[in-house]
Amino acid sequence: SQTIHQWPATLVQPVGSPLSLECTVEGTSNPNLYWYRQAAGRGLQLLFYSVGIGQISSEVPQNLSASRPQDRQFILSSKKLLLSDSGFYLCAVAKQEGVEQYFGPGTRLTVT
Amino acid sequence: KQEVTQIPAALSVPEGENLVLNCSFTDSAIYNLQWFRQDPGKGLTSLLLIQSSQREQTSGRLNASLDKSSGRSTLYIAASQPGDSATYLCAVVDSNYQLIWGAGTKLIIKP
Repeated sequence: SQTIHQWPATLVQPVGSPLSLECTVEGTSNPNLYWYRQAAGRGLQLLFYSVGIGQISSEVPQNLSASRPQDRQFILSSKKLLLSDSGFYLCAVAKQEGVEQYFGPGTRLTVT
Repeated sequence: KQEVTQIPAALSVPEGENLVLNCSFTDSAIYNLQWFRQDPGKGLTSLLLIQSSQREQTSGRLNASLDKSSGRSTLYIAASQPGDSATYLCAVVDSNYQLIWGAGTKLIIKP
């Protein structure tokens, strides 16, 4: 079974600062990878997904970007954070589209 | 556009009771439906996955049913325990292979 690592676990950043969140996966190869955001009191929102190295699909236009430099590494970035970027960021993995997704422990981001 | 609704938003019951959480979706063209559990400040744990061709799945004290034609799923928890307290999320995989999420039901089991 796969293991999903996310870091950092928590992060407090000022408005306008850059962001880099990392997700790595063990125990599977060529997975589909996903970034979700959960804002306070709201459901999960799909931000990006990737079906392979260098292949990124964006679901929501915003100041965030994602990259997949290696098969089992998924990075979420921003050049300038906004207050509205605060939330709980979750990385997920699936063996292929449409099958069960498994989630990492998440990163709590607070933009001040 | 697929929409997923979970009712109730919050539920508080005494320990030992059996309970049902509800999930409804607007488009019956789904590939599967998943129930997740989220503890405060933590990631999501997958509980049960029901394929579109299935009617129910069981794991221990949990039973999830799916009625695709009516756009409904229920999560039945038998003999509830304080450790079951968490937020329960329902999500469907739509025709674009994307997970569409409900807002969740916050469950509190009182000792």
